Amino acid sequence: DAGVTQSPTHLIKTRGQQVTLRCSPKSGHDTVSWYQQALGQGPQFIFQYYEEEERQRGNFPDRFSGHQFPNYSSELNVNALLLGDSALYLCASSPQGGRATGYTFGSGTRLTVV
Amino acid sequence: GENVEQHPSTLSVQEGDSAVIKCTYSDSASNYFPWYKQELGKRPQLIIDIRSNVGEKKDQRIAVTLNKTAKHFSLHITETQPEDSAVYFCAAQSYWGAQKLVFGQGTRLTINP
Repeated sequence: DAGVTQSPTHLIKTRGQQVTLRCSPKSGHDTVSWYQQALGQGPQFIFQYYEEEERQRGNFPDRFSGHQFPNYSSELNVNALLLGDSALYLCASSPQGGRATGYTFGSGTRLTVV
Repeated sequence: GENVEQHPSTLSVQEGDSAVIKCTYSDSASNYFPWYKQELGKRPQLIIDIRSNVGEKKDQRIAVTLNKTAKHFSLHITETQPEDSAVYFCAAQSYWGAQKLVFGQGTRLTINP
């Protein structure tokens, strides 16, 4: 049984560009949450998707957007990249509409903005 | 807003000794408190969790205690081993909303042989 799969694993982008990160949830999970983990910090909640809708959003600007597909996979899009967007982006899936007790994290996408 | 404070930021102990990491949360609606271990370049892995209706939970060498009145919870690792070296994060989840996790800043634990 595959766990949470994220792609790509590493990415280098230039300031001002746009990026799309992808996440496939664990089998049986219907909810996807995205977190940003800056170097030396704890993960920060970006937003959560359930039933193809954004259910809650953290303190992130509108440059951060997402999508969930009917198969529960999800994308995170970041527009107009800033140097400060460099971080590890973690996807977590969970069952039953988002109970964190069932959270499974992916290995993350390391984004570097130059 | 919600906040979780974690201390210490770094902790170094001798192999075989105990390690304690402490967290304080601000949201009184928090009812679920997981602890994650993250090794360099890897995903956070859940090592133990506790719900607000329980004061203590133990799993072999790892235990977590919760004081809801003081809004404190702690991770205790006994008989530490070199493979316990990692960054540990506490988190709190609110009963309301999307039940997101609010993480502490992390503790880098080093076990010295």
